[in-house]
Amino acid sequence: AQKITQTQPGMFVQEKEAVTLDCTYDTSDPSYGLFWYKQPSSGEMIFLIYQGSYDQQNATEGRYSLNFQKARKSANLVISASQLGDSAMYFCAMRGDHYGQNFVFGPGTRLSVLP
Amino acid sequence: EAQVTQNPRYLITVTGKKLTVTCSQNMNHEYMSWYRQDPGLGLRQIYYSMNVEVTDKGDVPEGYKVSRKEKRNFPLILESPSPNQTSLYFCASSLLGGSSYEQYFGPGTRLTVT
Repeated sequence: AQKITQTQPGMFVQEKEAVTLDCTYDTSDPSYGLFWYKQPSSGEMIFLIYQGSYDQQNATEGRYSLNFQKARKSANLVISASQLGDSAMYFCAMRGDHYGQNFVFGPGTRLSVLP
Repeated sequence: EAQVTQNPRYLITVTGKKLTVTCSQNMNHEYMSWYRQDPGLGLRQIYYSMNVEVTDKGDVPEGYKVSRKEKRNFPLILESPSPNQTSLYFCASSLLGGSSYEQYFGPGTRLTVT
């Protein structure tokens, strides 16, 4: 069975600083994908970044990067130069590669950016 | 515009009064899913569907029904709602066949059962 763990229920960061949100996962699938979603206070789910298990390089999307350590089964999200608009819930998720594989989500981390 | 739509966005109802939350996607996705989100519990999957007429239970299916008669639509049915089903509900869809396919989420439906 697949499982996602996010051990930080809440995080604070100063504006313009970088912050790392932790995500560890457990799976027996040899191939899988890892995702991060952002949920601002307005409620919608926004896709941020994707990392494939066989990707050689860490994924980056603008100020977001994914620190992927396969041996440790971790997929931490790094947000550089935090902005007030980054205050939100962040969910880590994964999906196995075989046809019909379901998504699994972590419990989320609430990030608060301080001015 | 590629999107997942849900209706209604907000609903207040009473215990026992049957209701349906509609979900529709225009991306020809095979996979569709319903989640509920409660404080401290994250997203929990209610039901999912891999294609037309193919549905399966998620982690918290009790008290819910779904159907998938058309590829684009995946309604969530609460036959006899109870207060413990007060929650924020999300519908989502994605392609199948690879782990790189992200899920697209609807805007959410906030349901209150009194």
